[in-house]
Amino acid sequence: DQQVKQNSPSLSVQEGRISILNCDYTNSMFDYFLWYKKYPAEGPTFLISISSIKDKNEDGRFTVFLNKSAKHLSLHIVPSQPGDSAVYFCAASAEGGATNKLIFGTGTLLAVQP
Amino acid sequence: DGGITQSPKYLFRKEGQNVTLSCEQNLNHDAMYWYRQDPGQGLRLIYYSQIVNDFQKGDIAEGYSVSREKKESFPLTVTSAQKNPTAFYLCASSRVGYGYTFGSGTRLTVV
Repeated sequence: DQQVKQNSPSLSVQEGRISILNCDYTNSMFDYFLWYKKYPAEGPTFLISISSIKDKNEDGRFTVFLNKSAKHLSLHIVPSQPGDSAVYFCAASAEGGATNKLIFGTGTLLAVQP
Repeated sequence: DGGITQSPKYLFRKEGQNVTLSCEQNLNHDAMYWYRQDPGQGLRLIYYSQIVNDFQKGDIAEGYSVSREKKESFPLTVTSAQKNPTAFYLCASSRVGYGYTFGSGTRLTVV
């Protein structure tokens, strides 16, 4: 049972345009969400996060939106750059729990075309 | 520099052999994790440890074993019971309430 879903395995965007990556979750106990970026043969690196008490968090070109009623979050990258080409993983946790486990989605491969 | 180190980067295993993947961190993080990445399946949790001398099974623990004798170290053994061990393995650490810091991964191939 996939609790965190990224239904688009890949996305192609022109340089300078907006990239929108989507993520859906099923567990209403999740209250902290993160996005990670991963290049081939490397470990993921943290990009941006959002707590369930917010509906938006912005960091430079990256903005994460959270819609709790729809159990949906999205990552916007504006403007997209060729260096943004990577796999993006959405992750969620129930922060109030003792484990701090992150549940990851399956990832979306973003290709930014020059 | 603080960080998390996985070794080796590439590992080859013969059928029926056990192999151990190393993970060391000097971030003073209490929690450590092992994930496996397969194409189209994202990152799946194998084992995690919140504190020294304690660890818990994740979603796909069968065929794997771990130990946590020191705060800094969380080695993963892939046993011969793991039917499909070829994958990219990622170790991570964290403080409770914070996101993970990942290592650079170990690619294990069965030959």
